[in-house]
Amino acid sequence: GAVVSQHPSRVICKSGTSVKIECRSLDFQATTMFWYRQFPKQSLMLMATSNEGSKATYEQGVEKDKFLINHASLTLSTLTVTSAHPEDSSFYICSARDRGGRGETQYFGPGTRLLVL
Amino acid sequence: QQQVKQSPQSLIVQKGGISIINCAYENTAFDYFPWYQQFPGKGPALLIAIRPDVSEKKEGRFTISFNKSAKQFSLHIMDSQPGDSATYFCAASSRTSYGKLTFGQGTILTVHP
Repeated sequence: GAVVSQHPSRVICKSGTSVKIECRSLDFQATTMFWYRQFPKQSLMLMATSNEGSKATYEQGVEKDKFLINHASLTLSTLTVTSAHPEDSSFYICSARDRGGRGETQYFGPGTRLLVL
Repeated sequence: QQQVKQSPQSLIVQKGGISIINCAYENTAFDYFPWYQQFPGKGPALLIAIRPDVSEKKEGRFTISFNKSAKQFSLHIMDSQPGDSATYFCAASSRTSYGKLTFGQGTILTVHP
């Protein structure tokens, strides 16, 4: 149980285009989803916290107009990288917090590799 | 105060040996301490987690030791195998942070056959 999927797993786009990444909790309802980015050989950096039906909360230094987050249901959150540039190339990972139980455990998706040319 | 400091940065162990990774934190509000394993190109996977009301938790070959007074916790991998070669992250969260995890810097573990 507790599976989180991401789509796509890999995307290559041209500079200036927008890219949408989907994060789904497949077998549980997620009160909260989190979006991270990870550069090679580095730790995960939290970008934003996404709660179903409300606006996302962004970490300091993360541009909310560039990284649009929508959490439309208890099983789906999307991250849209608008007007992507080469410096946005990274590994984007979502996680979902199980609504049931004690709600502490975060389950991570497999990640999306974004390459902006 | 939100930092979680992890060491060592990298670790090489022979097959069958014990791998030990340490983490230290400052924020006394932290009350949940998970460890994640990440393979290259994959998302982190939850290995084992502990709350501060116990000093040790064991699941198979993986054990977390927790020292509340020292604000430290560690992961022990017994009988390390080449398949354990991965990056390991400790993390911490508190109820007041609504589940936001603060991650350590990561440890690259290599287990030689």
